[in-house]
Amino acid sequence: AQKVTQAQTEISVVEKEDVTLDCVYETRDTTYYLFWYKQPPSGELVFLIRRNSFDEQNEISGRYSWNFQKSTSSFNFTITASQVVDSAVYFCALSEAGSGGSNYKLTFGKGTLLTVNP
Amino acid sequence: DAGITQSPRYKITETGRQVTLMCHQTWSHSYMFWYRQDLGHGLRLIYYSAAADITDKGEVPDGYVVSRSKTENFPLTLESATRSQTSVYFCASQRLAITGELFFGEGSRLTVL
Repeated sequence: AQKVTQAQTEISVVEKEDVTLDCVYETRDTTYYLFWYKQPPSGELVFLIRRNSFDEQNEISGRYSWNFQKSTSSFNFTITASQVVDSAVYFCALSEAGSGGSNYKLTFGKGTLLTVNP
Repeated sequence: DAGITQSPRYKITETGRQVTLMCHQTWSHSYMFWYRQDLGHGLRLIYYSAAADITDKGEVPDGYVVSRSKTENFPLTLESATRSQTSVYFCASQRLAITGELFFGEGSRLTVL
């Protein structure tokens, strides 16, 4: 069974600090997808990124970057120069591309609450 | 406006009552999902649907019923609400399989007394 672990329940930083959110996953599939979602205080969930298991290139989008390492089954998310608007709960998620058409079901981690203080 | 809407946004009910949470999307996405969010558990999949008239159980389906007679609607019914079903419920849709890019509704906060 697939599993996603976000060991950091809460993180608090001061604005402009860099912060890394950890995500470790478990899967028996060789083909799978990893995701990060953001849930700001307003409550809606927003898709941030998707990564497939064959693409280990790190990705950077503005102040956000993602480090995917199959060797350690990790998909970590770094925010550089954090801002107050980054305060949110961040969820890592996994989808296995298995047989039976179930490859669109996401398993979410429990989330990490990031608070960025001014 | 196009998007995915949930109703009601807030609901208080009593143990044993039937409650239906509505979900409507305007994109004609094939896939729709119901998740519940609880402190300490993150998001857990209740039910999902790949198309009209095709539904299947997720991780925590007990006590819930879904239907999907039309592509755009995916109601979730609690047949006899229990206190353990107090939660925030999120509906989501996805255009294609595999993408994993879910579009979420704003959530429905349900309190069962």
